[in-house]
Amino acid sequence: AQKVTQAQTEISVVEKEDVTLDCVYETRDTTYYLFWYKQPPSGELVFLIRRNSFDEQNEISGRYSWNFQKSTSSFNFTITASQVVDSAVYFCALMLGGAQKLVFGQGTRLTINP
Amino acid sequence: DVKVTQSSRYLVKRTGEKVFLECVQDMDHENMFWYRQDPGLGLRLIYFSYDVKMKEKGDIPEGYSVSREKKERFSLILESASTNQTSMYLCASSLSLGQRNQPQHFGDGTRLSIL
Repeated sequence: AQKVTQAQTEISVVEKEDVTLDCVYETRDTTYYLFWYKQPPSGELVFLIRRNSFDEQNEISGRYSWNFQKSTSSFNFTITASQVVDSAVYFCALMLGGAQKLVFGQGTRLTINP
Repeated sequence: DVKVTQSSRYLVKRTGEKVFLECVQDMDHENMFWYRQDPGLGLRLIYFSYDVKMKEKGDIPEGYSVSREKKERFSLILESASTNQTSMYLCASSLSLGQRNQPQHFGDGTRLSIL
């Protein structure tokens, strides 16, 4: 069975701090895709990144970076120099190759305080 | 940009009522999904559809049905609403199976309360 675990239910930091959101996944498949979504207070889930299981390169996009490590089945998300606008619920999700279904983690509520 | 539109942001219904949640996407996506979101549980898949008139059960289909008569529209139906169906409902769409790693695009959600 596939499973995604986001152990951090809530995180609260002061603006400009760096923060890392953890994501651990379980699957026996060799082909899969990992995603991060952001859900601001407005409710819509916003797609941030996808990564396939054959590409372990880390990725950086502005203040956002992602660390994919197959050895530990983790796909962690770091926000550098956090801002109040980063406050949201963040979801990590897994999609198996050959399927379109997403399996979501429980989500991490991130609060950035001014 | 992909636009997924859910007909209502907030909805209040009574126990036993038949409830329809509507979702429309404007990007000619083959796949459409309905999720419910509950605190501490993340998003759970109710039903999905990969073509017109096609549907597949997700992880929690009990108490729900769906309809997809047109490619752009996917309806979620609560046949006889119950209080445990009070939740946030999210619709999503994505490109076809031939491009499996395509992300799903979500609507704003419908917060449904069953009294």
